[in-house]
Amino acid sequence: DTGVSQDPRHKITKRGQNVTFRCDPISEHNRLYWYRQTLGQGPEFLTYFQNEAQLEKSRLLSDRFSAERPKGSFSTLEIQRTEQGDSAMYLCASSSPESQETQYFGPGTRLLVL
Amino acid sequence: AQSVAQPEDQVNVAEGNPLTVKCTYSVSGNPYLFWYVQYPNRGLQFLLKYITGDNLVKGSYGFEAEFNKSQTSFHLKKPSALVSDSALYFCAVRDGPGGNKLVFGAGTILRVKS
Repeated sequence: DTGVSQDPRHKITKRGQNVTFRCDPISEHNRLYWYRQTLGQGPEFLTYFQNEAQLEKSRLLSDRFSAERPKGSFSTLEIQRTEQGDSAMYLCASSSPESQETQYFGPGTRLLVL
Repeated sequence: AQSVAQPEDQVNVAEGNPLTVKCTYSVSGNPYLFWYVQYPNRGLQFLLKYITGDNLVKGSYGFEAEFNKSQTSFHLKKPSALVSDSALYFCAVRDGPGGNKLVFGAGTILRVKS
């Protein structure tokens, strides 16, 4: 399968703990996006990278959130000092240079903060 | 700001009947419009997009969508529904000319009954 992959698929943590999610985009896709989806809502944009540069961040991305894409390939999203309100599905997407407007999504990481 | 509205929380249709899932949009400039489908506990799958050209866009799994500029609509359609089409459908718009993120509607649950 050459689609976008995310790890882990599920994460349960206690409030105050740190969590890190990984996203591997489709090969040769230079853009990578993170979204958050809460129950009953559509995905909301968090941030995006073009190669290794983080070019845009949403106001939703508080200072407890940090994302990296150090070599322009996979990306990590870290949440520090998790809160119950962080419980959501975290979706990663990627797009190619030839068709940057079309984003292909991974299966998501579902986070539950107790 | 760019936005989309999906006026129906749920659409019910009998197998074999035509289906329509509605979407209206509000954008500045020319719209880039998308439909995605989400199955339970899965990420979003790209169905189709409109950027320019023919107002009737054909996509995956027999779905098509009609762009109507005067009504600012982009309704998703299929001539003959299958039970396996039952899922959550999202309409999305690119956030502004040259924008890099997608803005999603709240989603419409499609239930196809045999």
